[in-house]
Amino acid sequence: GAGVSQSPSNKVTEKGKDVELRCDPISGHTALYWYRQSLGQGLEFLIYFQGNSAPDKSGLPSDRFSAERTGGSVSTLTIQRTQQEDSAVYLCASSPDPGSEKLFFGSGTQLSVL
Amino acid sequence: GENVEQHPSTLSVQEGDSAVIKCTYSDSASNYFPWYKQELGKGPQLIIDIRSNVGEKKDQRIAVTLNKTAKHFSLHITETQPEDSAVYFCAASIQGGKLIFGQGTELSVKP
Repeated sequence: GAGVSQSPSNKVTEKGKDVELRCDPISGHTALYWYRQSLGQGLEFLIYFQGNSAPDKSGLPSDRFSAERTGGSVSTLTIQRTQQEDSAVYLCASSPDPGSEKLFFGSGTQLSVL
Repeated sequence: GENVEQHPSTLSVQEGDSAVIKCTYSDSASNYFPWYKQELGKGPQLIIDIRSNVGEKKDQRIAVTLNKTAKHFSLHITETQPEDSAVYFCAASIQGGKLIFGQGTELSVKP
């Protein structure tokens, strides 16, 4: 079956503009995560959606970052007033059920803020 | 806060040699420790994982060991091949089902 799909694969934007990154998880997966990977760095947790529960937003670096998950499926990560330090690969992952910690990652969106 | 430290950051081995990557974690409540492999331009992919009730797990050429007392775990790759070249990440679970990742190890296997 299809894996986790992220779009766009690459996004170049100007400082101060808003961007939206999309994630389409594996069908039936209840959990969805967003991570950020800066050059040469590990994966930084951003936000976690689990079913109908309130999302865990503890990793969002500032109030410029927000995410939503509509209908328990597709998720959108929005970055407002982008800054150069926002440049990174944004990875989305989904997990099949509440008890599983096995993550299936998409290929990511490479965001470049000029 | 919770933290996972991974070493080394880069590792170069000759084909056929073994490679070992080590991680330490801070949250004593962590009970799940996966390893992910990331090839260029792709997302990380789970290669092996271990739970806290097990000290060692093996899958063909890869194995993971866990020392809960010392709060460290290691990935061992034997008989390395060029296709093992990639970035490897360790991770530890924390409360709420999240994974905290290490900084990654870039493994290079030279033919």
